[in-house]
Order: sequence, then C-alpha cells, then structure tokens
Amino acid sequence: RKEVEQDPGPFNVPEGATVAFNCTYSNSASQSFFWYRQDCRKEPKLLMSVYSSGNEDGRFTAQLNRASQYISLLIRDSKLSDSATYLCVVNAAGSQGNLIFGKGTKLSVKP
Amino acid sequence: DTAVSQTPKYLVTQMGNDKSIKCEQNLGHDTMYWYKQDSKKFLKIMFSYNNKELIINETVPNRFSPKSPDKAHLNLHINSLELGDSAVYFCASSQVRQETQYFGPGTRLLVL
Repeated sequence: RKEVEQDPGPFNVPEGATVAFNCTYSNSASQSFFWYRQDCRKEPKLLMSVYSSGNEDGRFTAQLNRASQYISLLIRDSKLSDSATYLCVVNAAGSQGNLIFGKGTKLSVKP
Repeated sequence: DTAVSQTPKYLVTQMGNDKSIKCEQNLGHDTMYWYKQDSKKFLKIMFSYNNKELIINETVPNRFSPKSPDKAHLNLHINSLELGDSAVYFCASSQVRQETQYFGPGTRLLVL
C-alpha cells in the first residue's frame, strides 16, 4: 500500500459546484495532516492543516478520520481560480519535517 | 521580498556534467529541505537541514550533495548528471517544530 494515496482525477466541475477529494494514508502513527495546492508549473502552497475535529476555512472544509486513516477536502461554490492540483500531505511518524506527499488530485473548474 | 528563492529557474545541461542549485530563505526559519518532483508529478523529499545540520537524508544517489553554509542557505550540488535526474527541484523551509513548509519556485533541470 502506498504511503499516501489519492485519486489523480481529473475532476472536471462547473463553477459553483461542490467537489470532494479523498486521501488515505498507511502509517497509523502519523500525527500531522495537510492539504497543499499546486498550480501548473508552480510550487506547492499550504492550503490548510487538517485537525482531528475537522476545520473550515471559507469555502474549504477538511476532515480527518484517524480510525480509517482517511482525510478529505470539500470545496463549496467552486471558482475558476480553484483549478489546481490538490496534494494530500502526511508527516512521516517519528521524523519531524519529513512530509509525505500524495501524487495529487487535479481539479478543473469550468465556466 | 521573496520568501524562498532558488537559482537558476531553468537548467539545461549535458549528461556527465556537474551542476549546482542555490536556495535562500529570508523567513528566519531553522530548517530547509530539498524535494524532487519527477515527470509523474510525484514530490519526494531528498534532504533536510536544521541549523546547518543534516537531519533527513532519504535514499538518493551520493552524486547529490547538499551544502548549508548558514541556516538561510541550502545548496544542492549534483555530480555526473544522468538523464533520470531531469525533474523539478524544490527548496523549502520551515520553522523548527512547525511543519508548515514554504516552497521556492522550483528549478527545472533537463539533462540531455
């Protein structure tokens, strides 16, 4: 099983749609979870951290299910500018700063 | 006022050459990283330095040698370049004990 797995997509959605991405991770000892966003030919940028209680930032909601080792990202009211690749990121347990990136899920929001 | 900068942005070179990529961060962070993103877009950590000390060294060929002259700089030297080294190399930095990493714009390396 890969360390961090994501559906690569692409997800093609119309503006205003709600879209959800899922991610699973293999190491049950991982403690930190993130979603990063990477635009085409650009560097990854932190979108949001993911907490056990779930967290929301505007149109973005992240959830963590430790029992199932599953992370999700929900985007409501999609904008054209949301088009990007969304990277699920998990820390390697016992190794601070050692982040393991999923291959990313590509989102394309159409007018 | 770029937070994490890398030079060069693009690097095209022949197999067998030696090249260096430089990285600088002005965020006052203690920890810096090198990542490789291959053609399949898979982003993988290569090295991490904390206050000029190597703390993460993933399985990379020893042709790759990081050097940190001070905590604001982490350079990557690659000897005897091979075709498979073609990729985008990202530098990143973070504050110690915080895992949010800030990435540089990347260096696109093409080995011919």
